[in-house]
Amino acid sequence: AQKITQTQPGMFVQEKEAVTLDCTYDTSDQSYGLFWYKQPSSGEMIFLIYQGSYDEQNATEGRYSLNFQKARKSANLVISASQLGDSAMYFCASRKGAQKLVFGQGTRLTINP
Amino acid sequence: NAGVTQTPKFRILKIGQSMTLQCTQDMNHNYMYWYRQDPGMGLKLIYYSVGAGITDKGEVPNGYNVSRSTTEDFPLRLELAAPSQTSVYFCASSYSPDIHPLHFGNGTRLTVT
Repeated sequence: AQKITQTQPGMFVQEKEAVTLDCTYDTSDQSYGLFWYKQPSSGEMIFLIYQGSYDEQNATEGRYSLNFQKARKSANLVISASQLGDSAMYFCASRKGAQKLVFGQGTRLTINP
Repeated sequence: NAGVTQTPKFRILKIGQSMTLQCTQDMNHNYMYWYRQDPGMGLKLIYYSVGAGITDKGEVPNGYNVSRSTTEDFPLRLELAAPSQTSVYFCASSYSPDIHPLHFGNGTRLTVT
């Protein structure tokens, strides 16, 4: 069964610093997708970035980038120049089986001024 | 665009009562999902649907039922509510979950006492 592991329950970072949130996955599929979502304290789920297993380049979306290391089965999210508004829960997710997405336990990121 | 709309936003149930959580989307997505999120945890899949008339169980289906009579609507039914069903429930939809992100509703916070 596919499993997503986020080993950092909480992270504390100074404003304007870069931060890396870890995600490892376990899959036997050859083709799969990896997603990162942000959940602020207000509770909604916000899609941040996507990486396909066959994508040759790491995905980037503004201040978000994905450090994808296929051989190590890791898909770490990098946030550059962190802002106070980046404080939130962050979830890594991957497609499991036919169509289902499986989520990790999440990392709570706190940005300190 | 309304996106994914969930109702109600909050609900308190007594043990043994039943209710239906409503979910509708206006993006013509075939794939729809119900997740639950317990405090401080990630999302767990309850049920999903790949199109009208087709539903299947996720990780934690016990105590729930779903139906998908139209592309737009995917209601979740709780029968005989139990305290263990106290959670935040998210409905989501996607064009194709392989490479397209899930669009989430704003969630329903359910308390069973």
